[in-house]
Amino acid sequence: DSGVTQTPKHLITATGQRVTLRCSPRSGDLSVYWYQQSLDQGLQFLIQYYNGEERAKGNILERFSAQQFPDLHSELNLSSLELGDSALYFCASSVVGYEQFFGPGTRLTVL
Amino acid sequence: AQSVTQLDSQVPVFEEAPVELRCNYSSSVSVYLFWYVQYPNQGLQLLLKYLSGSTLVKGINGFEAEFNKSQTSFHLRKPSVHISDTAEYFCAVTPRGSQGNLIFGKGTKLSVKP
Repeated sequence: DSGVTQTPKHLITATGQRVTLRCSPRSGDLSVYWYQQSLDQGLQFLIQYYNGEERAKGNILERFSAQQFPDLHSELNLSSLELGDSALYFCASSVVGYEQFFGPGTRLTVL
Repeated sequence: AQSVTQLDSQVPVFEEAPVELRCNYSSSVSVYLFWYVQYPNQGLQLLLKYLSGSTLVKGINGFEAEFNKSQTSFHLRKPSVHISDTAEYFCAVTPRGSQGNLIFGKGTKLSVKP
């Protein structure tokens, strides 16, 4: 158990819908990273927050957004969902950035 | 920009045999290097990391890796594998001085047979 929690574990939804994925980092970790794992693209970095501020952006679509709240939990919002958005979404947290602890992931299925 | 190439998508090996999983990277700046393991239906777990110092790095579960700057490689090795090592292994890099976001290879599926 890494100490990072993600909810829900599984999410099934339809094209065009909007979903929110939630991540609670390890106690004391200020950084939260979001990654997408798909068969086509592999593991890709989406976005990073540090203590409530966006710090780095990767291959994140404009339909996707994230935020980190004062209690340090983070949410990833995915809208206008397409079939190709089906993937595993991982959250990771760290103190100093170079050792990241990953959550168990949320499996999103878009039908 | 950085990229990571894991040369083998699948590696089958018999129990108690040695194994090497290969990783090469490309970067115009210095990087930190990592190996992560993903067991079925689980998240990623850090096996080992190279930040600086000795180029031979020891990790958990008996794994080790060697950083070779001239060959831009960071191969993962274990002298004797167990059935429980069956998993997918990911090599990753992040540029020094960056925010730490990881660039991953495509992964190598290690299958240990009895």
